[in-house]
Amino acid sequence: QQQVKQSPQSLIVQKGGIPIINCAYENTAFDYFPWYQQFPGKGPALLIAIRPDVSEKKEGRFTISFNKSAKQFSLHIMDSQPGDSATYFCAASGGSNYKLTFGKGTLLTVNP
Amino acid sequence: DGGITQSPKYLFRKEGQNVTLSCEQNLNHDAMYWYRQDPGQGLRLIYYSQIVNDFQKGDIAEGYSVSREKKESFPLTVTSAQKNPTAFYLCASTVGHHGNQPQHFGDGTRLSIL
Repeated sequence: QQQVKQSPQSLIVQKGGIPIINCAYENTAFDYFPWYQQFPGKGPALLIAIRPDVSEKKEGRFTISFNKSAKQFSLHIMDSQPGDSATYFCAASGGSNYKLTFGKGTLLTVNP
Repeated sequence: DGGITQSPKYLFRKEGQNVTLSCEQNLNHDAMYWYRQDPGQGLRLIYYSQIVNDFQKGDIAEGYSVSREKKESFPLTVTSAQKNPTAFYLCASTVGHHGNQPQHFGDGTRLSIL
């Protein structure tokens, strides 16, 4: 019930490509879906977040798509750059759950 | 600048030893969290605290202890009962008391066994 499943585990794209990372959840009480970006040796930083009243949210080159009926959400990175190379985590929380449940992460490599 | 400070950055533990990881925040956040990160495992919640002098176990609390005597401080002790302590430990905080608020993270402490 509390799981968030993230795929793929790793992803390699060329500069300018559009990597897509997918997450699926089971708990229908979840109502907050953030994405975090983590560089080696650093803590995760909030990248973008969405709530289920919208199906898409854009911030700069980053877009979250949300499909409530399928219980899935995804991160798209437009015009990816080598500096986007990092580990990306999706997460979810909501209802009576005070905790943020994280996916296992996707290691993204953007080649020059 | 407001933020979360974790110290030390690297820590080594001997067999049978307890070690304490420090986490301090000057964001005036109510809730604080400790996570453990292992390669390929994502972030797993150890303990969280929504208010001073109160804290709750997370998903993997065995072998760990915490205290919350001040709003800005949430130290984590890794006890000798934790048989596999080698990991990257992350502290986070958030305004309010619910999980549906952005969590701000420190830069972690890497713990290894000598």
